[in-house]
Order: sequence, then C-alpha cells, then structure tokens
Amino acid sequence: EDQVTQSPEALRLQEGESSSLNCSYTVSGLRGLFWYRQDPGKGPEFLFTLYSAGEEKEKERLKATLTKKESFLHITAPKPEDSATYLCAVLRTGNQFYFGTGTSLTVIP
Amino acid sequence: DGGITQSPKYLFRKEGQNVTLSCEQNLNHDAMYWYRQDPGQGLRLIYYSQIVNDFQKGDIAEGYSVSREKKESFPLTVTSAQKNPTAFYLCASSMGSGGSDGYTFGSGTRLTVV
Repeated sequence: EDQVTQSPEALRLQEGESSSLNCSYTVSGLRGLFWYRQDPGKGPEFLFTLYSAGEEKEKERLKATLTKKESFLHITAPKPEDSATYLCAVLRTGNQFYFGTGTSLTVIP
Repeated sequence: DGGITQSPKYLFRKEGQNVTLSCEQNLNHDAMYWYRQDPGQGLRLIYYSQIVNDFQKGDIAEGYSVSREKKESFPLTVTSAQKNPTAFYLCASSMGSGGSDGYTFGSGTRLTVV
C-alpha cells in the first residue's frame, strides 16, 4: 500500500537545538518528494522538491535530503519563528500525491 | 503579486444546507485542486481539474461538487449529502497538469456545521 509516514508527530526544541524530521514512504514510481511548512490556520507554503536519491537542498536553517525510502528535514540552530507544522508529500507515477500527517515543531526561546 | 485567494476564511453551515467555497488564482496555472484537512490526517483529495470545463473525482468526492468554467476559478460546493463537512478546506494549483512542479496553496476555508 502506498503510504507516507512522518515522525515524530510533535517535536519541541530549545532555540539553537538542531534536530531532524523524518518522512518515510512506500510509494512506488517516485516522481518527486515535497516539503511544505504550514502555520496554524493557513495553507501550506512550499519549501523544497527533491527528485532523486542523494539529492539535497538548503534554505536558511533548513536542509532536505532524500534516500530511496525516506527524506529528512534537518533544522540547524532553530529559532522560534521556525515553529510550524512541516508536511511531506510524495508524487508518484500516475500523478498521484500522497501527503503525510505532518510534524508539529515548537521552538522554545 | 500572484497567488490563490480562498474565501471566505470562515464559513458556518446549517444542517441540510449547501455552501460554496470560492477559489481564484492569478498564476495562470492549468491545474487546480481541492483538498480537505482534518486533524491527525494527511490532506485528502476531493476534486481536481486539469483544464477548463473538465474535472475528476478525487479520493473523497462524495457529497461535494465543483465547476471549472474559467481557468482562474474552481469553486467547491459542499452539499447536504456530505455528512461530516466540518474541516479545513484547501485549494491548490500547479503549472502543469501532473503537479511535478509542486502546488501553490490558498490560505484555506474553515467550514463548521452548526
């Protein structure tokens, strides 16, 4: 069964405490893996797209990596404004998107 | 600035009532989508449209209807047949029909049954 699983469900970090969020998938025919940030009561905001294993992308304190079975979103020295829910989505052949349930990140000053 | 506008931000529906959620984009994107977001669940696809005057059912289309008369607009109607409509509804668009360039999302409409 095609599935996207994100872990942990919730993560609390002290400001400056680096960590990683995980997105594992069992989707066949991967065409792309997407990371989004969602603030409460708002729509998701695009962060990264990764297309093949070994690919990495960075944006400010965020770095996304991709293997054949999972992706990591590394957060380096987070700040309170990084607090949000981070969503992972996988696009497979046939143009089907599968979304994870998200990781809720709270960064404490 | 280009983007997707959803309205209203909050909507209240009485039992047995149909309501329509608006979604307008000025990105010149071909494809548009409606998703439903519930706590603890991933986004679930309701309907999508790749071209004007054409749309397809997603995974949870029962109790919903859409139209795509203009490229810029993709309204969603939540009918009285939808038994559990309370949720956060997200409209999205993508340049290509396959979505491989990712989605641009609107800010969402929160629908509550009263």
